[in-house]
Amino acid sequence: DSGVTQTPKHLITATGQRVTLRCSPRSGDLSVYWYQQSLDQGLQFLIQYYNGEERAKGNILERFSAQQFPDLHSELNLSSLELGDSALYFCASSVSGAETQYFGPGTRLLVL
Amino acid sequence: QKEVEQDPGPLSVPEGAIVSLNCTYSNSAFQYFMWYRQYSRKGPELLMYTYSSGNKEDGRFTAQVDKSSKYISLFIRDSQPSDSATYLCAMSAFGGGSEKLVFGKGMKLTVNP
Repeated sequence: DSGVTQTPKHLITATGQRVTLRCSPRSGDLSVYWYQQSLDQGLQFLIQYYNGEERAKGNILERFSAQQFPDLHSELNLSSLELGDSALYFCASSVSGAETQYFGPGTRLLVL
Repeated sequence: QKEVEQDPGPLSVPEGAIVSLNCTYSNSAFQYFMWYRQYSRKGPELLMYTYSSGNKEDGRFTAQVDKSSKYISLFIRDSQPSDSATYLCAMSAFGGGSEKLVFGKGMKLTVNP
């Protein structure tokens, strides 16, 4: 158990819908990262927050947004969902640096 | 060219074998090199990380980084069926305000009893 929690574990929804994925980092970790894992693309970095502020952006679609709250939990919002958004979404946290990112169990999203 | 290349396998070995997993990369700015293990339907689990070049050993696992060749390796000695998983290499430049990890596609390893 990494200490990073993610909810929900599974999510099934329809195209055009909006969903929110939630992540609670390990105690004391200020950085939260979101990654998407698909069969063809592998694990891809989406976005990083550090202590409530956006720190870095990867190949995150405009339909996706995220935020980190004062209690350091983070939410990833996915809107206007498409079939291709079906994937595993992972949250990771670290105290600060890249070398010790710990991953949560992931949310499996299926868009029908 | 992808920033990080990893042979996706799959790789199947008998129990007790020495396993060698490798990644190559193109971005000279990478300084941190990680290996993650991912069991089916689970999140990636950090196995080892190395800063810059050199070797690092942890039990049956040894990580090697050769920055001159842009090549990293993970060796697993005395492999066990419990080592069966997907192994992902990951790298980071760690600078300029971004600590994102860039991952290889992952190599699926099966250790047969």
